[in-house]
Amino acid sequence: DTAVSQTPKYLVTQMGNDKSIKCEQNLGHDTMYWYKQDSKKFLKIMFSYNNKELIINETVPNRFSPKSPDKAHLNLHINSLELGDSAVYFCASSQAGRAANEQFFGPGTRLTVL
Amino acid sequence: QKEVEQDPGPLSVPEGAIVSLNCTYSNSAFQYFMWYRQYSRKGPELLMYTYSSGNKEDGRFTAQVDKSSKYISLFIRDSQPSDSATYLCALLGVALTFGKGTMLLVSP
Repeated sequence: DTAVSQTPKYLVTQMGNDKSIKCEQNLGHDTMYWYKQDSKKFLKIMFSYNNKELIINETVPNRFSPKSPDKAHLNLHINSLELGDSAVYFCASSQAGRAANEQFFGPGTRLTVL
Repeated sequence: QKEVEQDPGPLSVPEGAIVSLNCTYSNSAFQYFMWYRQYSRKGPELLMYTYSSGNKEDGRFTAQVDKSSKYISLFIRDSQPSDSATYLCALLGVALTFGKGTMLLVSP
């Protein structure tokens, strides 16, 4: 199936731990994104990569580090997890430029920090 | 003032009703206007997009943009229980900025 996939789907961990979320898209898109959706369902962009290059980095703590090994993958590593990091994290992809309005989202990773 | 304002609802309607969902925005730099639908525990999916003032129709869905008033709307005709979801407006400038989403409940 052509899609944006994320692993894991659920992640429960203790404060202070380090965790990673993986994202892969097989749509042939140039641009990938990470979004955070908080408990109030507000969806906000965190990062955007175009052809493995960081193009958007919103005011996100530097404990969050995206890594793009190739243009089909964008992983999110989070150090020293805090309670406030609990949220659903969505990966998305699109073509670059004006086509960035057509973003395809993954199913989300529900992170719970205890 | 938030960049994009959207009433969170919930909005409850009977099957067959016409639904109107709205967003207002403050930044004139937004160039594209989208509506995404998000079912519970799923990722958002793009419903419609437009870049000019006026109406755009796709089946039972009509997107309307009024750039002079900075107001966008999504109309759903003949609403169905399967339309029950959260609808997010999204505006593209440098990045995609989402409204908070309106939860729609269509009862049979």
